[in-house]
Formats: sequence, structure tokens, C-alpha cells
Amino acid sequence: AQKITQTQPGMFVQEKEAVTLDCTYDTSDQSYGLFWYKQPSSGEMIFLIYQGSYDEQNATEGRYSLNFQKARKSANLVISASQLGDSAMYFCAMREGYDNNNDMRFGAGTRLTVKP
Amino acid sequence: DTAVSQTPKYLVTQMGNDKSIKCEQNLGHDTMYWYKQDSKKFLKIMFSYNNKELIINETVPNRFSPKSPDKAHLNLHINSLELGDSAVYFCASSQGTSDRWGFRNEQFFGPGTRLTVL
Repeated sequence: AQKITQTQPGMFVQEKEAVTLDCTYDTSDQSYGLFWYKQPSSGEMIFLIYQGSYDEQNATEGRYSLNFQKARKSANLVISASQLGDSAMYFCAMREGYDNNNDMRFGAGTRLTVKP
Repeated sequence: DTAVSQTPKYLVTQMGNDKSIKCEQNLGHDTMYWYKQDSKKFLKIMFSYNNKELIINETVPNRFSPKSPDKAHLNLHINSLELGDSAVYFCASSQGTSDRWGFRNEQFFGPGTRLTVL
């Protein structure tokens, strides 16, 4: 069984600083994908970044990067140069396998607050 | 040009009623999902349909019945609503094929439907 753990229920960061949101996962599969989603107060779920278990390089998408440490089974999200609009819930998720027949499991989320 | 749309956005109803939530995606995806997000923001998969066929059916009460008339639509019907059904319900879709490793398949979410059962 797979499991996603986000140990930080809430995080604060000063505007323009970087912040790391933690995510650890548990799987016995060698093939899996890791995802981060953002949920602002308006409620929609926004896909941010993806890391495949076989990807050798850490994924980056603009100000988002994923610190992937496979041996430790961690996939931390790093947001650089935080902006007020980054204040939101952030969810880490994982799916095992190659196709959509395996469901995506989400962590409990981390609420990030960016202070001006 | 909304990618994944849900109606209604808000639904307030009495216990015992039957209600439906509709979902449509115009992305050409072949897999659609229903998730439930509780008051503590925990997001849990309920159902997954691939090309109109049920793939994932997590342990949800059989009062919940998904219906997929075609690949672009996945509706959720709920019978005999209970107080504990109050939550935000998200529809999502993803493509069956993706990058060379076949994993990416990120899910695109609808705006959510906030269901309140009184």
C-alpha cells in the first residue's frame, strides 16, 4: 500500500524568500510518479510539478522545483522567491505504475502563508 | 474554454434527498475521476472511469453511483443524502498516454462542488 506523508500542517514564509514543503512517500514499487498540486482559497486544484521515479534530474517548473531523494523516499517542493499569491494549500501525491488504472493518493496537505 | 467543468458549484440540500453533480471535460482525455475533500482538506479518490468503464471504485457507500454517458462526461449521483456527505467534490481528468515513462498523466481538476447537507 502506498502512503503519502506531509508533516507540516502549516508553514509561514516571508515574501521573496524560499520555502521547502516536505513530502515523504512509501511504496514498494520501482515505478511511480510524484505530483504537487496547489489549492488556493478559491478552491481549485492546480497542478504544479511532476517527478518520475526514473527521472535522474530534479524537476523544475519556473519558481517551483522538486528536491527528489529517492533513497530517502522524499519529494520536497521548493518554492523560490515566494509571492503573496503563493499562499495556499499544497498537496503532494503519488501514483504507482504506468497508467491511470492506479489511483493517485494525496497527502494531507500543507497550508503555506506568505507574509508581506 | 474551460477544461474541466462541474455543475453546480454549490449545492445545499436536505438529508434524505437525491442529488446529482455533473462533470464535463473538453480536453479529450479518456480517464475521469471523482474525489471527495472533507472539512480537514483531505482529498480521497472515490471513482475512476477509463473510456466509460469503471476502473477504481474505492470503498464508498453504494448510495454514490457514477455514470459516464460518454468519454467527456462523468456524473455523480447520490441517493439518500446524509450529513456526513457534506464535502467538496472534485471531478478530474487525465490522458491515458503520456511521456516516455508513461507516468506523468497529471490530473486536471474541475472547480469543485461544495455540497452541504442540512
